[in-house]
Amino acid sequence: NAGVTQTPKFQVLKTGQSMTLQCAQDMNHEYMSWYRQDPGMGLRLIHYSVGAGITDQGEVPNGYNVSRSTTEDFPLRLLSAAPSQTSVYFCASAYGGKDTQYFGPGTRLTVL
Amino acid sequence: GDSVTQMEGPVTLSEEAFLTINCTYTATGYPSLFWYVQYPGEGLQLLLKATKADDKGSNKGFEATYRKETTSFHLEKGSVQVSDSAVYFCALSDPGGKLIFGQGTELSVKP
Repeated sequence: NAGVTQTPKFQVLKTGQSMTLQCAQDMNHEYMSWYRQDPGMGLRLIHYSVGAGITDQGEVPNGYNVSRSTTEDFPLRLLSAAPSQTSVYFCASAYGGKDTQYFGPGTRLTVL
Repeated sequence: GDSVTQMEGPVTLSEEAFLTINCTYTATGYPSLFWYVQYPGEGLQLLLKATKADDKGSNKGFEATYRKETTSFHLEKGSVQVSDSAVYFCALSDPGGKLIFGQGTELSVKP
């Protein structure tokens, strides 16, 4: 049981490049979410999903896309990276929205 | 909207000292309250939680009580260890189940 896994651990992009941050969980959780962590600001919700085929926006969705084609995977796409997207990104999952969320180890992204 | 406010860090303590990290919240309804801990270079782990007023969450010697009258969920530990050095986040779940975090409090425990 690997829990929540994220790849890559580190990534450097140039402004305008695109990339996908991967997130997978093997706990059969319906609820998955993406957060970004910035110094002094805690974690802020980017997008979330309550089940396969269903996604919704969080607090800071601009510049990010998500999809949920399977229960296990919830990738986060940056279509045109900007320096303001330099951050640490965490994926989390839970049985339901009100249940304890389990976090992945994070992806540290730098956009130059 | 709902929000969480934590005491600012960093907090530096000597080993075996008493720890309090203050957390207050603003919310409509009756949210669940959480403390998460982030050790250096790692993701967040749930430390403890409380789902209704007057509930006390506890784990690894840490405690926090859900105080509806003061809208608080302060984290306490009677005797901290060097291994408790980490960043601590207070959070609430809004009516839709989304987590709203405080800004985090860094704790450094010196031997």
